[in-house]
Amino acid sequence: QMTQSPSSVSASVGDTVTITCRASQDIRSWLAWYQQRPGKAPKLLIHAASSVPSGVPSRFSGSGSGTDFTLTISSLQPEDFATYYCQQGDSFPLTFGGGTKVDFK
Amino acid sequence: EVQLVESGGGLVQPGGSLRLSCAASGFTVSSNYINWVRQAPGKGLEWVSVMYNDGSTYYADSVTGRFTISRHNSKNTVYLQMSSLSGDDTAIYYCALGVVITGTDYFYIDVWGEGTAVTVSS
Repeated sequence: QMTQSPSSVSASVGDTVTITCRASQDIRSWLAWYQQRPGKAPKLLIHAASSVPSGVPSRFSGSGSGTDFTLTISSLQPEDFATYYCQQGDSFPLTFGGGTKVDFK
Repeated sequence: EVQLVESGGGLVQPGGSLRLSCAASGFTVSSNYINWVRQAPGKGLEWVSVMYNDGSTYYADSVTGRFTISRHNSKNTVYLQMSSLSGDDTAIYYCALGVVITGTDYFYIDVWGEGTAVTVSS
């Protein structure tokens, strides 16, 4: 069970946004974050809790281990207004958080 | 370029069956982990199934016994056979490539297809 908070957040361009994800059991560092824009497929942002794949802007960062994790978006850009999901990869079935929608304030 | 293209979605009656296809290019499905993830209208993401490179398969509880993942190596294609469908299975189904971190049993989902829509309705 993955619990994300908040479920939605209103922000402005340039703001810093923090999204948290809590696992119901210890998942070590096996957590990924995805971004999904309306009508599009999800896109990988972070894997293994804090690893940023090449091509993902440096304003995206992840932290945490065990049960508590954080996605931070620094200096929010217009293209960052989207829905964000965490996902645990520690055990089957893989599970996603409920999502956090970041919209314009 | 790594690419995944889903097909086979459509309208099916409750209790019916449907087979989805995921055609891969830029890599070999038999050497990788291929997942199916679905998203019901207006809802979040739900992992459905994965097939490992060694042929091992895993399923979400909600589809176990009704869905089967398989692959055709020479066609470089992965399938999701779905049966006993209900309205709860209405969703966009995404095919997605899993990438294993060397030395671990952990994989993350890296590349996603654009999805194919399945609607279960009479």
